[in-house]
Amino acid sequence: RKEVEQDPGPFNVPEGATVAFNCTYSNSASQSFFWYRQDCRKEPKLLMSVYSSGNEDGRFTAQLNRASQYISLLIRDSKLSDSATYLCAIEGDYKLTFGKGTLLTVNP
Amino acid sequence: DTGVSQDPRHKITKRGQNVTFRCDPISEHNRLYWYRQTLGQGPEFLTYFQNEAQLEKSRLLSDRFSAERPKGSFSTLEIQRTEQGDSAMYLCASSTFASSYNEQFFGPGTRLTVL
Repeated sequence: RKEVEQDPGPFNVPEGATVAFNCTYSNSASQSFFWYRQDCRKEPKLLMSVYSSGNEDGRFTAQLNRASQYISLLIRDSKLSDSATYLCAIEGDYKLTFGKGTLLTVNP
Repeated sequence: DTGVSQDPRHKITKRGQNVTFRCDPISEHNRLYWYRQTLGQGPEFLTYFQNEAQLEKSRLLSDRFSAERPKGSFSTLEIQRTEQGDSAMYLCASSTFASSYNEQFFGPGTRLTVL
């Protein structure tokens, strides 16, 4: 089993849609969890840290399920500007292990 | 701009040449990381520093790669005798010991093309 596995995508959704990404991880000792957004040929930008109790930031909601070893990201009312690659990242021993990323395209 | 900066942004070199990249972390961030990203993949960890000490190196980091952070501020990554397989985006990130969650912030990357 790979350390971090992500929905392969791509996802094509209309504006206003709700879209969810999932990411599973294999190391049960993982300590911190993150979602990054990466635009084409740019660096990953931290979108959200994922807290044990789940957290929300505007249209974005992140959840952590330690028992099943997965994290999720929900985007509500998607905008054209949400089009990007979404990367999950799992921290262990200070270093991040990333999934391959899921490409989201929001269409008008 | 107080974010992570990297130089150069692009580097084209011929196989067999040596290249060096520089990273300046966010001011007062004491942890600095190097990652490599190829097309269609997420970033892969290469190495990290806490202050000037290099604490971990990935098996991806062959003997041709060396990284330094001499004064605990900026860092350099050198690749000797470059190979075509070294072509990738080299990303630097930094974080602060003061953050219990260890959020890492990335620089714009150096895109290396080995001909």
